[in-house]
Amino acid sequence: KNEVEQSPQNLTAQEGEFITINCSYSVGISALHWLQQHPGGGIVSLFMLSSGKKKHGRLIATINIQEKHSSLHITASHPRDSAVYICAGTFGSRLTFGEGTQLTVNP
Amino acid sequence: EAGVTQFPSHSVIEKGQTVTLRCDPISGHDNLYWYRRVMGKEIKFLLHFVKESKQDESGMPNNRFLAERTGGTYSTLKVQPAELEDSGVYFCASSQDIQGAFGYTFGSGTRLTVV
Repeated sequence: KNEVEQSPQNLTAQEGEFITINCSYSVGISALHWLQQHPGGGIVSLFMLSSGKKKHGRLIATINIQEKHSSLHITASHPRDSAVYICAGTFGSRLTFGEGTQLTVNP
Repeated sequence: EAGVTQFPSHSVIEKGQTVTLRCDPISGHDNLYWYRRVMGKEIKFLLHFVKESKQDESGMPNNRFLAERTGGTYSTLKVQPAELEDSGVYFCASSQDIQGAFGYTFGSGTRLTVV
């Protein structure tokens, strides 16, 4: 069992829909990261969280330390949001990654 | 500020050949990490340098993989001899501090295909 679990693995939405991607993790992380990877592209860091909530544009990330759970929300989704979204936890000095969520937003 | 640069972006080699991947971290970032994503699996840790020293190499799959960071600047990851299961995308990341308190910056990855 991976220390970081993500769901769903695949998500298809219509433009404008509200999207939620979930991440659960085991004990011991010092921070939770949400990352984005476009097809053929590198990995871009979206958020780093250790508590509470962060917002950047249409993206919102929340974390519940007690429940060991984080969510990434996308409001008013757009086809350009189509990408793989990856949750990762900092364990010690390394990142442990979830499998990623392939998001496709159709026009 | 230049980001993390990886070279080459793609490499196709035959089984048994040698390939060397390079990563140039952000200037001043002492911490450099190598990660790998094989088809259908999550990204996994390979190793972590602090300056020129290997802090943690517990993720290196076997002794066919050799990573170096001479002078504490850029790093190379050599696979010799390459096997089919080494195919995947190799990512490099760097951070200012050992726990990534200021975040991590990733390179675009090197897609390695062993045929």
